[in-house]
Amino acid sequence: KNQVEQSPQSLIILEGKNCTLQCNYTVSPFSNLRWYKQDTGRGPVSLTIMTFSENTKSNGRYTATLDADTKQSSLHITASQLSDSASYICVVRGNQAGTALIFGKGTTLSVSS
Amino acid sequence: DADVTQTPRNRITKTGKRIMLECSQTKGHDRMYWYRQDPGLGLRLIYYSFDVKDINKGEISDGYSVSRQAQAKFSLSLESAIPNQTALYFCATSDVRFTGELFFGEGSRLTVL
Repeated sequence: KNQVEQSPQSLIILEGKNCTLQCNYTVSPFSNLRWYKQDTGRGPVSLTIMTFSENTKSNGRYTATLDADTKQSSLHITASQLSDSASYICVVRGNQAGTALIFGKGTTLSVSS
Repeated sequence: DADVTQTPRNRITKTGKRIMLECSQTKGHDRMYWYRQDPGLGLRLIYYSFDVKDINKGEISDGYSVSRQAQAKFSLSLESAIPNQTALYFCATSDVRFTGELFFGEGSRLTVL
């Protein structure tokens, strides 16, 4: 069964600290993986997309990694800011016609001052 | 103005009432989706439409119906609302290339008493 598991479920860190969010998936064959950021009361917004051939991609203070062999991805946030407080959702797309998007349940990050 | 607009943003109703949530988009995308989000369960697909004449059920379509009035408009109806339909509902769009990126509206929070 195609699944996406995210950990931890929630995380609290101090402003300025780094953190790493994990995403493990069983979707096969694999097309791509996206990380979305969802601010409280808002719709999710794509942060980055990882395809099979990509290992690392950065978007400002956000760095995503992908290990297609172990079916794992991580999202590393550097020098966290209060505005990073949000839910981060991992979404995997399979590589077959009509394949649905498989959503993780998200990690809720709280950055405190 | 937002690219994907949902109305109403908040609605409180009673069991048995008919409710319609509306979505309009200015992105020019052919594909539109309705998701619901519940704490601990993540985003789940209710219905999706690839063009005006194409409507498909998602994983949790029971108790819901949709109408695609035009390329830019996609509405979700609850014919007889029940309390376990209390949730945050999101409309989303994607383009025909479907790299997997979804563009979400701001959400409609529905409470059924």
